[in-house]
Amino acid sequence: AQSVTQLGSHVSVSEGALVLLRCNYSSSVPPYLFWYVQYPNQGLQLLLKYTTGATLVKGINGFEAEFKKSETSFHLTKPSAHMSDAAEYFCAVSGLSGGYNKLIFGAGTRLAVHP
Amino acid sequence: GAGVSQSPSNKVTEKGKDVELRCDPISGHTALYWYRQRLGQGLEFLIYFQGNSAPDKSGLPSDRFSAERTGESVSTLTIQRTQQEDSAVYLCASSYGGNTEAFFGQGTRLTVV
Repeated sequence: AQSVTQLGSHVSVSEGALVLLRCNYSSSVPPYLFWYVQYPNQGLQLLLKYTTGATLVKGINGFEAEFKKSETSFHLTKPSAHMSDAAEYFCAVSGLSGGYNKLIFGAGTRLAVHP
Repeated sequence: GAGVSQSPSNKVTEKGKDVELRCDPISGHTALYWYRQRLGQGLEFLIYFQGNSAPDKSGLPSDRFSAERTGESVSTLTIQRTQQEDSAVYLCASSYGGNTEAFFGQGTRLTVV
C-alpha cells in the first residue's frame, strides 16, 4: 500500500528565499507522484506531476520537484519565494495496489511567506 | 461541465440527521474520489470509484458513511446519523483513471451542530 509523509506541517520563509517542502513516499510499485496547492478559500489544483521519464519535473509558478527513487523522495522547491506562494501544499502518490489506482495524500504543509 | 461540481457548498445539520452530498464529475472521467478534510488537516481518503469496477471503500470511517455512483456520472456521499466529528469539508475529485491528474471540486463544508 502507498503512503506519503510530508515533513513539517508549517514552513515559513522570507520573500526571495528558497522554498523547500519535503515529501517522502512508500510504494510497492513504481509510483506516480503529484504536488497539489490549495490557496486560501480555494480548491486544490495541480502544481506538477511525475509519471515516467525525466526525474526533474517543472510545474507552474516556478516550482519544480525531483523524483529520487533511492531516497523515495519527491521534494518541492522554488528558488525564490513570492508572497503569493503562501498556501497549503499537498504531496500525493498513486500506483496500482490491490487492483486499484488511487491518490493518497500527505497531511499537507502550510507555507507562510513573510516580507 | 467545465469542472467538478459539488452541492451544496455549505450544509449545516443537526446531530443525528442524515445528509447527502452530491458530486458531478467532469464528463468522460471514469474515476471519482471522495476525500474529507478536517479543519487544518490533510486530505483523508474515503472512497474511490473506477468505471464499472467495485469501488474501493477502504477509507470510509464507519458504516454510517456510504457512497453511490451512477455509471460514470453523478456520485452521492451519504452520512447517516451525523455526529459532530463529521464536521469537515468533503471534497470530490475526478480523473480519467489510472495515474492521471485528478481535478477537484470546491467542496461541501458540513457543519454538524
